[in-house]
Amino acid sequence: GAVVSQHPSRVICKSGTSVKIECRSLDFQATTMFWYRQFPKQSLMLMATSNEGSKATYEQGVEKDKFLINHASLTLSTLTVTSAHPEDSSFYICSAARQGRNTEAFFGQGTRLTVV
Amino acid sequence: QKEVEQDPGPLSVPEGAIVSLNCTYSNSAFQYFMWYRQYSRKGPELLMYTYSSGNKEDGRFTAQVDKSSKYISLFIRDSQPSDSATYLCAMFSGGYNKLIFGAGTRLAVHP
Repeated sequence: GAVVSQHPSRVICKSGTSVKIECRSLDFQATTMFWYRQFPKQSLMLMATSNEGSKATYEQGVEKDKFLINHASLTLSTLTVTSAHPEDSSFYICSAARQGRNTEAFFGQGTRLTVV
Repeated sequence: QKEVEQDPGPLSVPEGAIVSLNCTYSNSAFQYFMWYRQYSRKGPELLMYTYSSGNKEDGRFTAQVDKSSKYISLFIRDSQPSDSATYLCAMFSGGYNKLIFGAGTRLAVHP
């Protein structure tokens, strides 16, 4: 399958600081990328959908000013958690959709964010 | 009603058993259906992909889609302890505007 690289895999930050998570599609162009959040033993919760060159579409209840998404190129999307709080501690996962004859979505390795 | 319903389990089976995992959905616009396997603290790994109705087989895995019933299944034959993981169904429409997941089913295969 295609490769999606997410970085960093783990990050610990202090309350009030900002953290940037990168998601790269390494061997294909992704016009659409998805950002998810996953709590322990729960499924993936879609936070937002980003399309290259346009503003992200956020799901209901997700603060767009807190979770800044930038999809600057066909291979890179970033999620910035601003003014992080302990309740933002979670597992964040990105996904990139490879569109063509078939359309599949591949996932990054995930980022475990801990806010202290 | 959730757009995608999946029994969270847990499902415990002996090694060698045939496992059946299922999801139902409500949005008839979904066209692309995927099954992912997720190990603890890892990102989901794409297992199977199907487009529209029909069956697809890959080794010990078979994915089925019945669009008329809005029902998808993943079968695992000759299950192995290494298959123990959470299995998530996912789907999205032709507009690619959302990739929606089921709750995930935790599977444990014991020797």
